[in-house]
Amino acid sequence: DVKVTQSSRYLVKRTGEKVFLECVQDMDHENMFWYRQDPGLGLRLIYFSYDVKMKEKGDIPEGYSVSREKKERFSLILESASTNQTSMYLCASSLPGQGNQETQYFGPGTRLLVL
Amino acid sequence: AQTVTQSQPEMSVQEAETVTLSCTYDTSESDYYLFWYKQPPSRQMILVIRQEAYKQQNATENRFSVNFQKAAKSFSLKISDSQLGDAAMYFCAYRVGSNYKLTFGKGTLLTVNP
Repeated sequence: DVKVTQSSRYLVKRTGEKVFLECVQDMDHENMFWYRQDPGLGLRLIYFSYDVKMKEKGDIPEGYSVSREKKERFSLILESASTNQTSMYLCASSLPGQGNQETQYFGPGTRLLVL
Repeated sequence: AQTVTQSQPEMSVQEAETVTLSCTYDTSESDYYLFWYKQPPSRQMILVIRQEAYKQQNATENRFSVNFQKAAKSFSLKISDSQLGDAAMYFCAYRVGSNYKLTFGKGTLLTVNP
């Protein structure tokens, strides 16, 4: 079974703080993703990475950066947290391939509150 | 841009009955894949079922099946013999064949009444 874990389930930070959200997968997947989930908006892609040190912007990258120094770990960084970044953050990973082989597996999520 | 629309923010069903969740999508691509994901309360999102656009046969996974209408760009999920454990947020998602990116709908919250 694929396991995707996230470092925290709940996090409370103050405006202006630097925030690190960590995600680890144990299935040697090349692809990793960060989404944010907001009520009425579904999931929106922030960044994804298709290899170590490689990254691409998703739909809403503003205010975020990422780091992928090792294959199994993908970090999302909020350089200066703001209240509009209060959200649920979901990490996912997948093994690239044609069609059916590429299924994204999700972590449990981190609910971030920025005060 | 590709879009995925789930027109039902909330649905409810009686235990043991059947419910259908709607999803439509907009694309000009011919090679794509469609997915339904389930997110139970406070639990991890999991894949329920997937459909390749080139396949005419509708996908089925136990009590879950889809009605894929390619010309109408419709991809509905049918849950038969609904169980309490089916209560969750359901997301429809779309991916172009050669692309990593999943585009999600806004979700449908399903309640199962005992």
